[in-house]
Amino acid sequence: LAKTTQPISMDSYEGQEVNITCSHNNIATNDYITWYQQFPSQGPRFIIQGYKTKVTNEVASLFIPADRKSSTLSLPRVSLSDTAVYYCLVTGSSNTGKLIFGQGTTLQVKP
Amino acid sequence: NAGVMQNPRHLVRRRGQEARLRCSPMKGHSHVYWYRQLPEEGLKFMVYLQKENIIDESGMPKERFSAEFPKEGPSILRIQQVVRGDSAAYFCASSFSDQETQYFGPGTRLLVL
Repeated sequence: LAKTTQPISMDSYEGQEVNITCSHNNIATNDYITWYQQFPSQGPRFIIQGYKTKVTNEVASLFIPADRKSSTLSLPRVSLSDTAVYYCLVTGSSNTGKLIFGQGTTLQVKP
Repeated sequence: NAGVMQNPRHLVRRRGQEARLRCSPMKGHSHVYWYRQLPEEGLKFMVYLQKENIIDESGMPKERFSAEFPKEGPSILRIQQVVRGDSAAYFCASSFSDQETQYFGPGTRLLVL
């Protein structure tokens, strides 16, 4: 199972762009990179998923280099409500259904 | 389209009692997963079920815990003879297939007195 490593915590200010990098050196050919967001006392919420290059949706962008050993979640112009824990996961054939959550990155957005 | 539903949202039990947690997957999803989150920790996989079958229970404690996903009705996570260490948030997720995105419910917070 591919393991992920991401910073424990990050601080930012409202209006700034936040980039959270995740390393996954052992990612398999059929695996995807998936990011979830979790607010206190709530279930994880799917943010974005990608396989290579760049994926963008209304919430975030995901950048994946050619070697796919790392990825970067980019949150444009964060607000206080983006304060949450962000989890980077490798999903796909190597996990056969179950999600392996690490510690995640606690993002604190300050006014 | 309603999301994943879990009930109850909060459950208080005394040591030795039974806890039953229910999960109704999103419409059209036949794959259900249960995760547990202890205070100040990440989510840990417990069990993966597909209608009437347990696919992977590698994360389930060997004793007191069981799960089912009957042909009709919600998935049930059952904890017998609860102990204080069972106090946690229990999340259910569902997906269309084992390769598709998992969507999580709001969780059930179990408190064992």
